[in-house]
Amino acid sequence: QSALTQPASVSGSPGQSITISCTGTSSDVGSYNLVSWYQQHPGKAPKLMIYEGSKRPSGVSNRFSGSKSGNTASLTISGLQAEDEADYYCCSYAGSSTYVVFGGGTKLTVL
Amino acid sequence: QVQLVQSGAEVKKPGSSVKVSCKASGGTFSSYTISWVRQAPGQGLEWMGRIIPILGIANYAQKFQGRVTITADKSTSTAYMELSSLRSEDTAVYYCARGGSSWYDFDYWGQGTLVTVSS
Repeated sequence: QSALTQPASVSGSPGQSITISCTGTSSDVGSYNLVSWYQQHPGKAPKLMIYEGSKRPSGVSNRFSGSKSGNTASLTISGLQAEDEADYYCCSYAGSSTYVVFGGGTKLTVL
Repeated sequence: QVQLVQSGAEVKKPGSSVKVSCKASGGTFSSYTISWVRQAPGQGLEWMGRIIPILGIANYAQKFQGRVTITADKSTSTAYMELSSLRSEDTAVYYCARGGSSWYDFDYWGQGTLVTVSS
């Protein structure tokens, strides 16, 4: 069982927006602005999409955005495209004992 | 351009150990952390631990304490992850990943190393 809870799957049609939630606790997501999101295509290494809650690395489309409310972080993808179909993982700092926790992953299907 | 290049696939017997390497190029090795993250077949990502090369300090996930050792050789910009007492549940792809600006996000990843544990 993963430390952070994500929906197993979400889907949307091209052009639509979707949001993936990532629920943690006051020991991780709720206490630190250190949530990151990763996109992983089959057979590939994960790719950083959002860091420190809402920042986008250079080269990542501005269709991807991150936010947080309380113990829940969210990744929103607007203007869905076929190439967005992938698995998405959230990750959070969890203090100097546990360090890092991941969510179980969400499979995004573009219909 | 930062690159992390990992060693090749391994097949190991239960009870043995495996050591995976991760050679960094294109950046200042000692200025960042290197974490190891594994992914069992069809499963999610699992953080195992990290090393801070400039300090030579390693931190481990509680689940792997006593069974994993992460080291770094600054002279060759290479990090290593050794996992002992292997069991079938350790069959997974093992990734190294560079800590980003906060050290707790991972901006560059290796290509992954498949470790298969089978008798």
